[in-house]
Amino acid sequence: DTAVSQTPKYLVTQMGNDKSIKCEQNLGHDTMYWYKQDSKKFLKIMFSYNNKELIINETVPNRFSPKSPDKAHLNLHINSLELGDSAVYFCASSQDLSEQFFGPGTRLTVL
Amino acid sequence: GQSLEQPSEVTAVEGAIVQINCTYQTSGFYGLSWYQQHDGGAPTFLSYNALDGLEETGRFSSFLSRSDSYGYLLLQELQMKDSASYFCALCEDDKLIFGTGTRLQVFP
Repeated sequence: DTAVSQTPKYLVTQMGNDKSIKCEQNLGHDTMYWYKQDSKKFLKIMFSYNNKELIINETVPNRFSPKSPDKAHLNLHINSLELGDSAVYFCASSQDLSEQFFGPGTRLTVL
Repeated sequence: GQSLEQPSEVTAVEGAIVQINCTYQTSGFYGLSWYQQHDGGAPTFLSYNALDGLEETGRFSSFLSRSDSYGYLLLQELQMKDSASYFCALCEDDKLIFGTGTRLQVFP
């Protein structure tokens, strides 16, 4: 059974489009996260939700909007995609901050 | 913001021991975690130090010294499959702040 899953694995799209990435965890964790990993492999927190409530928003542009319909799901919607949004986006979940379980990642390419 | 510095690349041969260092500039944090990431894969948790000292988990050990603002990951009996990127991460408030990452290449 996959612990943290994301769809799609690859996303190629044109500038200006709107896209969504879905994430689900079956670990029963209370907290879920979105990270962005750039081409230099730098991994940075974007959002954190605890039991469907937003607890961290790391000065991410308003074009990025997370949504948590329940504590097992955290989706990421991106409006008006820009070239600089190209990256790998990881979803993660945890019960303990120190040990997070990451999804397989979504490689987003904006043309 | 906080910054955690790591060497960008480390090379070693199979069977050797390698140490990956992590230096940081903050005092208010809960602990230091380490993650491994293979090319094209997801980060996976390796180890966590809440207190100063050494934590041992099989071939991997992690060390933290708050007074020196320094930690390291020690990998023993290196295997080819250990070739990956390794990240330290500070546990601060409600988030992890990741280091710059170290690419480890293990040669036969």
